Amino acid sequence: SQTIHQWPATLVQPVGSPLSLECTVEGTSNPNLYWYRQAAGRGLQLLFYSVGIGQISSEVPQNLSASRPQDRQFILSSKKLLLSDSGFYLCAWSAQGQPDQPQHFGDGTRLSIL
Amino acid sequence: RKEVEQDPGPFNVPEGATVAFNCTYSNSASQSFFWYRQDCRKEPKLLMSVYSSGNEDGRFTAQLNRASQYISLLIRDSKLSDSATYLCVVARSYNTDKLIFGTGTRLQVFP
Repeated sequence: SQTIHQWPATLVQPVGSPLSLECTVEGTSNPNLYWYRQAAGRGLQLLFYSVGIGQISSEVPQNLSASRPQDRQFILSSKKLLLSDSGFYLCAWSAQGQPDQPQHFGDGTRLSIL
Repeated sequence: RKEVEQDPGPFNVPEGATVAFNCTYSNSASQSFFWYRQDCRKEPKLLMSVYSSGNEDGRFTAQLNRASQYISLLIRDSKLSDSATYLCVVARSYNTDKLIFGTGTRLQVFP
């Protein structure tokens, strides 16, 4: 069966510091991968998605970036965090090329910026 | 207008009650629909897909009305463990590369 791992679970970082969140998927190949952010009391906002290695689409302009160095690895990064980057970050995967397939989420990373 | 709209609630219902949530979507070309459940401070988890003919999974029934562009979720015989936020999710395109999440409807079931 497929599993998705995301770490760390919680993170407290000062403003201006760098960020690296990692997500890996097991049990499938060539998945679609996604990064979402959920601010407190708000809905899920799609940040990035990827349909293959090195292929990244950005949904909203921001100081975050994403990379997919391997088929089942998706990394969210920032060079300098802002206070507004606080939130609950979620990685998700879906099966590529199969219509009507939902997305499945990792446990999430709760990021607090001080 | 938001692509997916839900009543945020909360819906406070006693155990054993039947409760229904509605959700409207704006893109008439949407093809795939889902309900997710999200517990407090946890990740969303797929509850059920929504098919044109309607579908049922135990106490949960999902319906799709394409003409009116709304989706519903009916929960019968509510349990305390049903307390959560229910997210209506619509695929922007046929192959579900992008899902649009509603902000959720909060359900609180009390004894």
